[in-house]
Amino acid sequence: DIQLTQSPSFLSASVGDRVTITCRASQGISSYLAWYQQKPGKAPKLLIYVASTLQSGVPSRFSGSGSGSEFTLTISSLQPEDSATYYCQQLNTYPLTFGGGTKVEIK
Amino acid sequence: QVQLVQSGAAVKKPGSSVKVSCKPSGGTFSSYAISWVRQAPGQGLEWMGGIIPMFGTANYAQRFQGRVTITADKSTTTAYLELSSLRFEDTAIYYCARDQGEPSDSGGYFYYGMDVWGQGTTVSVSS
Repeated sequence: DIQLTQSPSFLSASVGDRVTITCRASQGISSYLAWYQQKPGKAPKLLIYVASTLQSGVPSRFSGSGSGSEFTLTISSLQPEDSATYYCQQLNTYPLTFGGGTKVEIK
Repeated sequence: QVQLVQSGAAVKKPGSSVKVSCKPSGGTFSSYAISWVRQAPGQGLEWMGGIIPMFGTANYAQRFQGRVTITADKSTTTAYLELSSLRFEDTAIYYCARDQGEPSDSGGYFYYGMDVWGQGTTVSVSS
């Protein structure tokens, strides 16, 4: 199975900060990576697909980059409503594994 | 906007089975793949398996092989997850999710990301 390692697992930042989350795959997955946001008690929400394409309706402060085995999710200016847990998922090879998650807290 | 509607919460005994359903509100799967993802209390997301209803082919995570069956009934446009030999650690919220990718000519699927999720079904395993 392809392992996805997210870092950090937790971060605390202020409103307006630029935030970056990294996802490393144990082997190359081309650009078949998605990012999700999950708030407590809710289903995950797709933010980014095929590594860098912004899902319709998602604010432009979210962006994704990377290919191969290293990927990043960036929030350019953190907003209060961005407090959530973020997951990456590889979609290149079965099983379609998720990263362990990054919890983002607003200071 | 299509929604995925799942069956209600279930409480099961260890060793029993549970079957969870997932039906698109729009009445069709189209050519999309459906995955099942679970989340144990306070834990992360775990992909269990998925099915491409137009082909009827299912794939499973190795750790659930032999205990999980994913099916899709095209006549009722409903996908199902059945998990057998339930253990306490199977207590979780189970989500179905639609991937917005596309089927390949060879019967496979190009996954892009799961854009529509069901509301989740809580399965509690308790003696």
